[in-house]
Parts: sequence; structure tokens; C-alpha cells
Amino acid sequence: AQKVTQAQTEISVVEKEDVTLDCVYETRDTTYYLFWYKQPPSGELVFLIRRNSFDEQNEISGRYSWNFQKSTSSFNFTITASQVVDSAVYFCALDLKTSYDKVIFGPGTSLSVIP
Amino acid sequence: DVKVTQSSRYLVKRTGEKVFLECVQDMDHENMFWYRQDPGLGLRLIYFSYDVKMKEKGDIPEGYSVSREKKERFSLILESASTNQTSMYLCASSFRDRGEKLFFGSGTQLSVL
Repeated sequence: AQKVTQAQTEISVVEKEDVTLDCVYETRDTTYYLFWYKQPPSGELVFLIRRNSFDEQNEISGRYSWNFQKSTSSFNFTITASQVVDSAVYFCALDLKTSYDKVIFGPGTSLSVIP
Repeated sequence: DVKVTQSSRYLVKRTGEKVFLECVQDMDHENMFWYRQDPGLGLRLIYFSYDVKMKEKGDIPEGYSVSREKKERFSLILESASTNQTSMYLCASSFRDRGEKLFFGSGTQLSVL
């Protein structure tokens, strides 16, 4: 079965705190892609990062960092020194290398950053 | 600026009405998708298309149909709207290569009364 789990439904943090959003995926495929998308209140999902299954290097982009661990099937997302503009719903997604593109999304984590 | 445009941001329809949701992309993408977003359920794939006139069922196709007569346009059709189809509908597009990121429209919040 292919599945993406985001156990945290809602998180609230105070501005400048660090926060980690968890993502656990299930697949038997050996080749796949993982994504994080951000959905601000305006509604349009925006791409944040993509990782393929053969690249376990962690990545940092400004205040954002991602930790990919195949051993635990996790692809966690950390925001350092959170800001109010980080308030959004964040989705983790799994793209399987099948005969056509099928992207499976997790249920999302709603992050509120309080000033 | 690349764009995926959905024709309506908010739509209110009556039970039994035929509903058309339109999506247009200007990026020459081969793939186009329709998702439904409900609280706690994330995004669920309704249908997608990988070429003109080609379509594949997603996870929840019942009660929906689609049309793709031109590469840039992908329509979602509710033949006879029901109250359980009240939801946020998101259109997305991407290039055909595996693992390409999705570009999303702003969504259509459909209410069926």
C-alpha cells in the first residue's frame, strides 16, 4: 500500500520558535519522489522541495531544512526561527514511478505562528 | 509568470445541477490533474490527464467526469451535483517526466445546496 501520514493535524508556535513537521510514507517501490508543498490562506499550493529516493542528503534553504531518512521512511521538515508568514497548511507528498504520474498527498499539517 | 487558472474561486449550485469547473494552464504541460481537498483528508485525486483526450481515473472518480480537448484546458464535470460534493477543488499541472513538481491553481470552493 502507498500512503503518506502526517500525524500532526495542527501545530501552534510562538514566533521565532523552531518547529518540525513530520512526514512518514509507505511504499514498496524503490524509486520514488517526495515533496513538500505549502498552502497559505490564499489557497494556492506552492512547491517547496523535491527529493528522489536515491538522494538522502539533507537540504537547507534559508530557514527551511529537510531530513530524509529511508530507514524510517520519513521526510521531516523543520522551520527555524518561525515567522508569521510561515502560517499555512503544509503537505507532504509521494510520487511513485509508475506508468503514469500519481501523486499521493498526506492529510496536511496546519501551522499557526503566533506573534 | 507561469499560471494555472481556475475559472471560479467560489461557486454555489443546487442539488441535481450539472456543474463545470474549468482549468487553464499556460506552461505547455502534458499532465493535468483534478484534486478534491477536504479537512483531515488532504488532497484526493479525482482524475488526471497525460495528453489531449486522454484521461485516467484517480482515487475518487465516482460522480465526476472530465474533458481535455485542448492541451491547456482540463474541465471537471459534475453530471448531477450532490451535497457530498461540496468541497474545495484544486487543479494542477506538470510536465510528464517522473517526479516533476505540480503547479496548482487557487482552487474553487464549491457549495452544493
